[in-house]
Amino acid sequence: SAVISQKPSRDICQRGTSLTIQCQVDSQVTMMFWYRQQPGQSLTLIATANQGSEATYESGFVIDKFPISRPNLTFSTLTVSNMSPEDSSIYLCSVGSSNTEAFFGQGTRLTVV
Amino acid sequence: AQTVTQSQPEMSVQEAETVTLSCTYDTSESDYYLFWYKQPPSRQMILVIRQEAYKQQNATENRFSVNFQKAAKSFSLKISDSQLGDAAMYFCAYRGRPYYGGSQGNLIFGKGTKLSVKP
Repeated sequence: SAVISQKPSRDICQRGTSLTIQCQVDSQVTMMFWYRQQPGQSLTLIATANQGSEATYESGFVIDKFPISRPNLTFSTLTVSNMSPEDSSIYLCSVGSSNTEAFFGQGTRLTVV
Repeated sequence: AQTVTQSQPEMSVQEAETVTLSCTYDTSESDYYLFWYKQPPSRQMILVIRQEAYKQQNATENRFSVNFQKAAKSFSLKISDSQLGDAAMYFCAYRGRPYYGGSQGNLIFGKGTKLSVKP
């Protein structure tokens, strides 16, 4: 199993600013995943972060808006840039192993005012 | 592309009764994993049960069991002896085998079913 520490757990931000969310894993993992969960909705994959290479973004998500860092095998950050109220969501990081379930951070509840 | 469909936005069950949540999926892969996750108001995603597609036997975890019909691409969750603590959002999720057929190992989620448990 993997334990993921995600922070901050919540934040209220002004529009036009940026927020960086951090995820720390207690073991080395190849891939980390970032999801967005809009209010009352399901989880949507934003991007996949591999250590040592640029993140792979899903359709509808771009690096300028959601830059991701992956400096080592246990850590990743997601930045939500130039925020607007539409970015108000829960953001979750996740890791998976080859044959078991995915593990999730506690989520970051972001409110943009 | 794979898709996961949960057709029940909300369900309600009486405490101690049994409830079944539905899930269907679409994929061209033959080897994959299916999951049910529970998300209480705390936002934490909690694994309820896991099924490997190559296993014909339905997975069971205490009060939780699945009815996996591979040919029909159906994966329903049965909760027996429902408890107040079972109230939450339940998400059905699909995962291809990492690196197989292009899968990166990420999960594809259904829209979720909100389960209420009445005392």
